[in-house]
Amino acid sequence: DAMVIQNPRYQVTQFGKPVTLSCSQTLNHNVMYWYQQKSSQAPKLLFHYYDKDFNNEADTPDNFQSRRPNTSFCFLDIRSPGLGDAAMYLCATSRELIPRGRRQETQYFGPGTRLLVL
Amino acid sequence: DAKTTQPPSMDCAEGRAANLPCNHSTISGNEYVYWYRQIHSQGPQYIIHGLKNNETNEMASLIITEDRKSSTLILPHATLRDTAVYYCIVRPYTGNQFYFGTGTSLTVIP
Repeated sequence: DAMVIQNPRYQVTQFGKPVTLSCSQTLNHNVMYWYQQKSSQAPKLLFHYYDKDFNNEADTPDNFQSRRPNTSFCFLDIRSPGLGDAAMYLCATSRELIPRGRRQETQYFGPGTRLLVL
Repeated sequence: DAKTTQPPSMDCAEGRAANLPCNHSTISGNEYVYWYRQIHSQGPQYIIHGLKNNETNEMASLIITEDRKSSTLILPHATLRDTAVYYCIVRPYTGNQFYFGTGTSLTVIP
């Protein structure tokens, strides 16, 4: 089945130790997104890629970076994780960024990676 | 920048219709309303979306008021597996970035 895959489902890292989360998709979608979701809060958009074009949300900390080496894969790098970065990280995809005509662009989410910072 | 307001929690008896309201009084004429739900520890799941007409699919119905300032998601026969947080999202016309509001935690009671 075509889908959005996130590995691992749980990741433990140490305070200040760089960590990378991965996302892959078999949908061949142009757009990939990363969201952060802290406990009991709604998902918050961090950034997205349209093909190779990177778009950062204005309030995303510099500590968060992303790479998209090809259409299928996208990585979230946290350079120096703090205790406040413990959260669920969600990857999502959509075919296009801007709807064309009547066609809408649904986002498809992966299961998320839960990050624990010790 | 969420543009929606939802009640924080609701209960619904199993087998009954669940009606989840959403206020989006500042919505623009070409912005769509999307609904997603998130079952505990899973990624959000698409339910339905609409512009101004009422919409129905196999999961739910979406009723949008004529002035488009509010909408209601209807799950016609709620089951225990419908227990989740339901998010109402107004999608900006200029892009596909989703800004989630606080959502409604729906509990379906046996």
